Amino acid sequence: QKEVEQNSGPLSVPEGAIASLNCTYSDRVSQSFFWYRQYSGKSPELIMSIYSNGDKEDGRFTAQLNKASQYVSLLIRDSQPSDSATYLCAVNMKTGTYKYIFGTGTRLKVLA
Amino acid sequence: DTEVTQTPKHLVMGMTNKKSLKCEQHMGHRAMYWYKQKAKKPPELMFVYSYEKLSINESVPSRFSPECPNSSLLNLHLHALQPEDSALYLCASHGAGELFFGEGSRLTVL
Repeated sequence: QKEVEQNSGPLSVPEGAIASLNCTYSDRVSQSFFWYRQYSGKSPELIMSIYSNGDKEDGRFTAQLNKASQYVSLLIRDSQPSDSATYLCAVNMKTGTYKYIFGTGTRLKVLA
Repeated sequence: DTEVTQTPKHLVMGMTNKKSLKCEQHMGHRAMYWYKQKAKKPPELMFVYSYEKLSINESVPSRFSPECPNSSLLNLHLHALQPEDSALYLCASHGAGELFFGEGSRLTVL
């Protein structure tokens, strides 16, 4: 079992719709969770971090964390063509370490 | 200033060359990382330095040699690389519980 798993996509949504991206992780003691956006040929850009169960909202983005089920999700409301990118889920595997593991990424396409 | 600066942005080298990638941050972060990313793959952790000491080596071949001269600088020395080592090499620094990436150095090994 991979440590951090994502559906590779592509996930296609029409402009203005909600895009829902999911991520599961294997290590129950993982404490910190992150969503990065990566455009083709560019480096990952941090969108959101989440540490506690529940929802965290930042503009059009909402991250959701459920530690009991070991999943974290990202919702993008009012999706725009500029949101088309690969979204990477990252997990800090253990508190007190600096080990961040990335999922394979989900490619999102927002259709105009 | 929340910037991680990597040089060079592009590097082409032969299998017998010796070259280095450089990374610099002035955010006062005490942990710095090297990741390798192949096309359509996620970043793959290579090394982590914490307080200028190597804390994680993900079984990286010895043809990659990291160095952390001080808390702001991180180097990756390259020697006798293989064509399959061609990739985007990403430096990152860790602060306030988050990981910040530089723009990357795209390496091509001929």
